[in-house]
Amino acid sequence: EDQVTQSPEALRLQEGESSSLNCSYTVSGLRGLFWYRQDPGKGPEFLFTLYSAGEEKEKERLKATLTKKESFLHITAPKPEDSATYLCAVLISGSARQLTFGSGTQLTVLP
Amino acid sequence: DGGITQSPKYLFRKEGQNVTLSCEQNLNHDAMYWYRQDPGQGLRLIYYSQIVNDFQKGDIAEGYSVSREKKESFPLTVTSAQKNPTAFYLCASSMDGTGRTAFFGQGTRLTVV
Repeated sequence: EDQVTQSPEALRLQEGESSSLNCSYTVSGLRGLFWYRQDPGKGPEFLFTLYSAGEEKEKERLKATLTKKESFLHITAPKPEDSATYLCAVLISGSARQLTFGSGTQLTVLP
Repeated sequence: DGGITQSPKYLFRKEGQNVTLSCEQNLNHDAMYWYRQDPGQGLRLIYYSQIVNDFQKGDIAEGYSVSREKKESFPLTVTSAQKNPTAFYLCASSMDGTGRTAFFGQGTRLTVV
């Protein structure tokens, strides 16, 4: 069965304290892995797409990496405005073109 | 500005009632999706449509219905057959139906009263 697991469920950091969020997946054939940011009561906002192992993408304080089994979202020197829930999703070969989401990591950055 | 508009933002439903959630996009995207989000859970796919006048069931379609009469619009009806409809509903669209870089609306929070 295709599965996407995110860890930790919740993470509290001090401002400036770098860390990483994990998204591990067991799927039959990965066509792409997506990261989204979701603020409370809002729709997810697209951050990155990764397609192959070894690929990396960066945006401001965020950097996403991909291996054959997992993806990491690295947050460097976070600020309170980075507080949100971060979702990962995978697009699977033969999946009838739908995303399978993990349950998210709720990040809180304290000033 | 291009985007996806969901309405209403909040919706209250009485037991036994059908309600319809609106989703409109002006991105000229072919594919549109409806997801349900419950606290502490990931998004689960209800229905999706890759072209006008065609749609497919997702993982949790029971108790829901959709239509796709126009490219821009993909309304979701939550019927009385859905026994636990209280949730946050998200509409999304993508350019080519592969799910890549899906753009989301701001969601509708449905509560049964």
